Amino acid sequence: DQQVKQNSPSLSVQEGRISILNCDYTNSMFDYFLWYKKYPAEGPTFLISISSIKDKNEDGRFTVFLNKSAKHLSLHIVPSQPGDSAVYFCAATNSGTYKYIFGTGTRLKVLA
Amino acid sequence: GAVVSQHPSWVICKSGTSVKIECRSLDFQATTMFWYRQFPKQSLMLMATSNEGSKATYEQGVEKDKFLINHASLTLSTLTVTSAHPEDSSFYICSGRLQETQYFGPGTRLLVL
Repeated sequence: DQQVKQNSPSLSVQEGRISILNCDYTNSMFDYFLWYKKYPAEGPTFLISISSIKDKNEDGRFTVFLNKSAKHLSLHIVPSQPGDSAVYFCAATNSGTYKYIFGTGTRLKVLA
Repeated sequence: GAVVSQHPSWVICKSGTSVKIECRSLDFQATTMFWYRQFPKQSLMLMATSNEGSKATYEQGVEKDKFLINHASLTLSTLTVTSAHPEDSSFYICSGRLQETQYFGPGTRLLVL
C-alpha cells in the first residue's frame, strides 16, 4: 500500500520555465510534508517543507502548495535551471512520530 | 547547518562478515536518527528509528538481529549489518532529526560478495 505517490516518474522542462512536480497521499493523519532533491549515490538534500495548517510555502525559486482536501501537494520551481536536474522525492509524516513516508520520486531534467 | 556525515561511503565485504556504518550529526544534536535503505531506482525505505539511549524501533520485515543499531550519543548512531549476504547489498542512508526536519547523510554503498 503506497501511502505517498508520485505518479510522474520523469519530467523534462526547458531552462527558465516552470517545473511542477506532484505528489499525492492517502493518509489523512499526515500533517507535515517535505520535498527533497537527490543525486545518484548521495543522500537526499532538504528543499522545502509545509505544515498542514498552511496551503503555501515559498523559499526563493521553490514553492510548495498543499491541497488538504485533495490530499495533494506540488513543488514549483521557477525559473528552472540545469542544476535542478535530479530526482525529487516528496515525503509525508505525522508530527507525533516524525517517521517519513517517501514517494517514489520524479526525475527532473532541465534542458539548457 | 544541519550536516550529517556517514562513514564509510562505500564498503565491499565477503559474505558472512559484519560491517559497521557510522552516522554522525556534525553541527546539531539528534535525539532521533533514522536508517533507510534504497535499492536501485526505488524509493527510500525506512528500516529503523534510533533514539539516543534506548533501543531502536524496527519497521516490519526488518530483522533486528541482522541490523544492529546503537545510538550511544546525541551525535552518533551506528548500524551493523551482521553476517552480511549478497542480498544485503544496497545503499544505506541515515538521517538526524532537527525539529520537524530530517537531514540526511551522504549514504553508504555496501557490496557483499
